[in-house]
Amino acid sequence: GENVEQHPSTLSVQEGDSAVIKCTYSDSASNYFPWYKQELGKRPQLIIDIRSNVGEKKDQRIAVTLNKTAKHFSLHITETQPEDSAVYFCAATWGADGLTFGKGTHLIIQP
Amino acid sequence: GAVVSQHPSRVICKSGTSVKIECRSLDFQATTMFWYRQFPKQSLMLMATSNEGSKATYEQGVEKDKFLINHASLTLSTLTVTSAHPEDSSFYICSARAASMNTEAFFGQGTRLTVV
Repeated sequence: GENVEQHPSTLSVQEGDSAVIKCTYSDSASNYFPWYKQELGKRPQLIIDIRSNVGEKKDQRIAVTLNKTAKHFSLHITETQPEDSAVYFCAATWGADGLTFGKGTHLIIQP
Repeated sequence: GAVVSQHPSRVICKSGTSVKIECRSLDFQATTMFWYRQFPKQSLMLMATSNEGSKATYEQGVEKDKFLINHASLTLSTLTVTSAHPEDSSFYICSARAASMNTEAFFGQGTRLTVV
């Protein structure tokens, strides 16, 4: 089955700086890669996703890049703000399967 | 986006009892529903996949007789934790996907189960 590795587990950045979270996946058949933001005790919220036929996608301060050859994808958050503090999960799946999540990254935005 | 409602949000039960958690898609027909479990400060782990009208497919290591899943209609799936024990205490969360959705799924609010 699919295996998703996510790094780092904790990331602390100064407000206004950029944050980058990286994930690798094992199953070359995976074709959908969403990123979720989860606040304590709440449901994961989809913040951006990318499909395997696209190399990069951007939505305001958030961008995701995908390298299919290397089987890795990354989340980029620019101009970080205090409300960006949360746990971020990457995930991968193929077709109609359930999501395989990375272990999560605790993003801390320092004022 | 589509709305998925999960109930209850919190439940405390005694060891040995059973607990039922409901997951409803409110504004779309969910042909597939997924159940995840999340222990404190850990990631979400897929437990099982259920398709309306058929038996659930369980992930390796998940006891199907302990975690009973029913997906009897296109808007409702239930997870029953049978003979619950303290080690079953966790955050259980469902997600639902319609046939028309290209892989994206929407999550319920989650259920915090505490077994005492």
